[in-house]
Amino acid sequence: DIVMTQTPLSSPVTLGQPASISCRSSQSLVHSDGNTYLSWLQERPGQPLRLLIYKISNRFSGVPDRFSGSGAGTDFTLKINRVEAEDVGIYYCMQATQFPVTFGQGTKVEIK
Amino acid sequence: VNLVESGGGLVQPGGSLRLSCAASGFTVSVIYMSWVRQAPGKGLEWVSVIYSLGSTDYADSVKGRFTISRDISKNTVHLQMDSLRAEDTAVYYCVRYPWDYWGQGTLVTVSS
Repeated sequence: DIVMTQTPLSSPVTLGQPASISCRSSQSLVHSDGNTYLSWLQERPGQPLRLLIYKISNRFSGVPDRFSGSGAGTDFTLKINRVEAEDVGIYYCMQATQFPVTFGQGTKVEIK
Repeated sequence: VNLVESGGGLVQPGGSLRLSCAASGFTVSVIYMSWVRQAPGKGLEWVSVIYSLGSTDYADSVKGRFTISRDISKNTVHLQMDSLRAEDTAVYYCVRYPWDYWGQGTLVTVSS
């Protein structure tokens, strides 16, 4: 199985400041169809898990543009441009390139 | 789109539970549906999938004990869990492919 490793595991951020989360996969996530199935999920207290970003950099419907994804191959990044209070939660990267789907350990974003 | 899980609870080791995931806003028969779980203090783990044509796959940790199925007339996906172990204790999430909508989860606790 592909191992997904996130850093940091905890990210205290000042409101209005940027935040960045890295995700590294143990193998390339480039699928034979040419796509890279790397997504980012957000878990907020009391809310269902929410898809933020799919295929590295595509924002899902309704996701604010302060969220952006980048990367290629085995190294990926989620950036929050200016952190807002509602962004507090746990963020997971996940890969769906190779069966079975696997997830990072999660990064907790909290306000300083 | 909405996914609502039910059926979780407390069960003794060796016992059984049947989880249900009621879907609305789309038809479960035309899309892959998965179950993902999260044990207390642990990360997300993919458990099972039912493909649009009805074939299924399972994580090695549950193979032979869990069975995924769907009821098209009720637009519902089920996870029959038999021979439950303490390590199956987790919140179980129903997820629609391509991982864009998640249910709120249902807690399964296996304990004597």
